[in-house]
Amino acid sequence: DQQVKQNSPSLSVQEGRISILNCDYTNSMFDYFLWYKKYPAEGPTFLISISSIKDKNEDGRFTVFLNKSAKHLSLHIVPSQPGDSAVYFCAALNTDKLIFGTGTRLQVFP
Amino acid sequence: KAGVTQTPRYLIKTRGQQVTLSCSPISGHRSVSWYQQTPGQGLQFLFEYFSETQRNKGNFPGRFSGRQFSNSRSEMNVSTLELGDSALYLCASSGGSGLAGVNEQFFGPGTRLTVL
Repeated sequence: DQQVKQNSPSLSVQEGRISILNCDYTNSMFDYFLWYKKYPAEGPTFLISISSIKDKNEDGRFTVFLNKSAKHLSLHIVPSQPGDSAVYFCAALNTDKLIFGTGTRLQVFP
Repeated sequence: KAGVTQTPRYLIKTRGQQVTLSCSPISGHRSVSWYQQTPGQGLQFLFEYFSETQRNKGNFPGRFSGRQFSNSRSEMNVSTLELGDSALYLCASSGGSGLAGVNEQFFGPGTRLTVL
């Protein structure tokens, strides 16, 4: 049973445009969410996080939105750059364990 | 500081064999977590060790086991390998636990295991 879902396995966006990556979860007890970015042959790196008491967190070009009623979070990247091309994982913190989604491969083309 | 290192980076085994993977955390980090990454399942939590004790465990069969040494280095062992064990195995180290732990959690590059 996948508690954290990323229903879009891939996304292709033109450079300069907005990238929106989506994530749904089923457990309303999750109280902290994170996004990670992963390049091939490297481990995931932390990107941005949000507490369940907030609905938005912004860090430079990256903004995460949380809609608790819909159990949905999204990562916005504006403007998208070719270097953003990677696999993005959302994750939820559950009693000291991170539960990851299946990932979305983002490709930013010129 | 040196990052998280994992050895070997690539491994090919056959069904029924066993394998041991190694992870050296960032100096000073006492927590090591292991994850399995497969295309269909994403990253799945295997277990976490802190100060040589297993602190958390995911939903994997008993064929998957681990340990941590006094220098915080950790090993993961998979016995009686199955084809479905082919995956990228990632370890992550952190200096804390809970929320503080995940905020300062750093991943290694992973070990790519192929089971033939």
